Amino acid sequence: DQQVKQNSPSLSVQEGRISILNCDYTNSMFDYFLWYKKYPAEGPTFLISISSIKDKNEDGRFTVFLNKSAKHLSLHIVPSQPGDSAVYFCGCGNQFYFGTGTSLTVIP
Amino acid sequence: GAVVSQHPSRVICKSGTSVKIECRSLDFQATTMFWYRQFPKQSLMLMATSNEGSKATYEQGVEKDKFLINHASLTLSTLTVTSAHPEDSSFYICSASQGGYGYTFGSGTRLTVV
Repeated sequence: DQQVKQNSPSLSVQEGRISILNCDYTNSMFDYFLWYKKYPAEGPTFLISISSIKDKNEDGRFTVFLNKSAKHLSLHIVPSQPGDSAVYFCGCGNQFYFGTGTSLTVIP
Repeated sequence: GAVVSQHPSRVICKSGTSVKIECRSLDFQATTMFWYRQFPKQSLMLMATSNEGSKATYEQGVEKDKFLINHASLTLSTLTVTSAHPEDSSFYICSASQGGYGYTFGSGTRLTVV
C-alpha cells in the first residue's frame, strides 16, 4: 500500500511560468516532508523541506505548501527555468517514504 | 554545505560475488544514515536505517543477511550486497543526517550483476 502518491507522472511548463507539483500522503502521523529532484543517473538533490508545524516554507524560487487536513503537499517553482527540468520526488515521514516522482519539463 | 560521498558510482560484478558500497559524510558527523534502492521508473525505496554503533533497522521485506549494513563511525556507513544476483541490479543511494531535520543524499551507485 503506497503511503505517498504523486499522481502526475509528468508536467510540462513554459519557461517563466509557475510549476506546481503535487503529492498526497495517507499517514497523518507524518511530521516532516521534503522535496528533492533527480537528474538521470545522478543522486537526488535535496530541494526544500517543511515540518508539520508550518503550512508554508519558501526558499528562493521554491515554495512548499502543506495542507495537513487534506494530507497534501505541493511544490511551487516560480519562475520555472529550463534547468529545473528533472524528476521531482516528495518524501514524507522521519524515515521517508517517497512518491513515484513527477517528471518536469520546462520549455524554453 | 553538507556533502555525502558515495563510492563506487558504478560497479559490475559477477553473480554470486559480494559488493561493498561506501557512504561517507565528508564535513559533518552523521548520526543516522539511510540506504535506499531505486528501480527504473520507480521511487526510492527505503531499505534500512543505520545509527552509528548499533544494528541497522531494516524495512519489511528487505533481507538483512543479504544486504549487510555497517555504520562503524559517525562518518562512514557501508552496504554490502552479498551473493549478488541479477535481480539485485539497481541504483542504490544513501543519505545521511546530522540529527534534526537535515538530510543529504549521496550521488548513488549503479550496481549491475551479470
